[in-house]
Amino acid sequence: DAMVIQNPRYQVTQFGKPVTLSCSQTLNHNVMYWYQQKSSQAPKLLFHYYDKDFNNEADTPDNFQSRRPNTSFCFLDIRSPGLGDAAMYLCATSSPKGGGETQYFGPGTRLLVL
Amino acid sequence: AQSVTQLDSQVPVFEEAPVELRCNYSSSVSVYLFWYVQYPNQGLQLLLKYLSGSTLVKGINGFEAEFNKSQTSFHLRKPSVHISDTAEYFCAVSSFSGGYNKLIFGAGTRLAVHP
Repeated sequence: DAMVIQNPRYQVTQFGKPVTLSCSQTLNHNVMYWYQQKSSQAPKLLFHYYDKDFNNEADTPDNFQSRRPNTSFCFLDIRSPGLGDAAMYLCATSSPKGGGETQYFGPGTRLLVL
Repeated sequence: AQSVTQLDSQVPVFEEAPVELRCNYSSSVSVYLFWYVQYPNQGLQLLLKYLSGSTLVKGINGFEAEFNKSQTSFHLRKPSVHISDTAEYFCAVSSFSGGYNKLIFGAGTRLAVHP
């Protein structure tokens, strides 16, 4: 089945130690999104890629970066995680072709910062 | 600017009872409306969406929602809930332009179905 995959499902890192979260998709969608979801809150868009074009949300901290080496993969890099960065990180995809308004979400990676 | 208000943070209900989860939105432009469900430690799954046309939208798992433009609402309903419907439900609004859409989510409603 075509899908959005996130690895790992759970990630533990230390305060200030860089960490990378991974997302891959078999849907061949042009657009990939990263959301941050803190406990009991709504998901909040951090940034998205349209093909190789990167679009950062205005209030996304500089501590968060992203890479998209090809259509299938997108990475979220947190350069110096703080305790406040502990959250669920959700990856999503969409395509502008027919039904492009729908986003398809992965299962998420829960990040714990010690 | 667009925004979404989910009027109830928690909704407890007994199994086989009907349920309505309320959602109001504000937008100065035409929007698309969505309901997503999130089970514990899972990603978001699309329940249903309104793009245009019929204001009554049917989704998966027996859910339906009605778009009411005059009241700027998009309430989610199910005539008879199951224990397995226990989850967090998010209403979202978006406008689609430039090949992508930005979803603005409400704060979520936690549906708790009791036996």
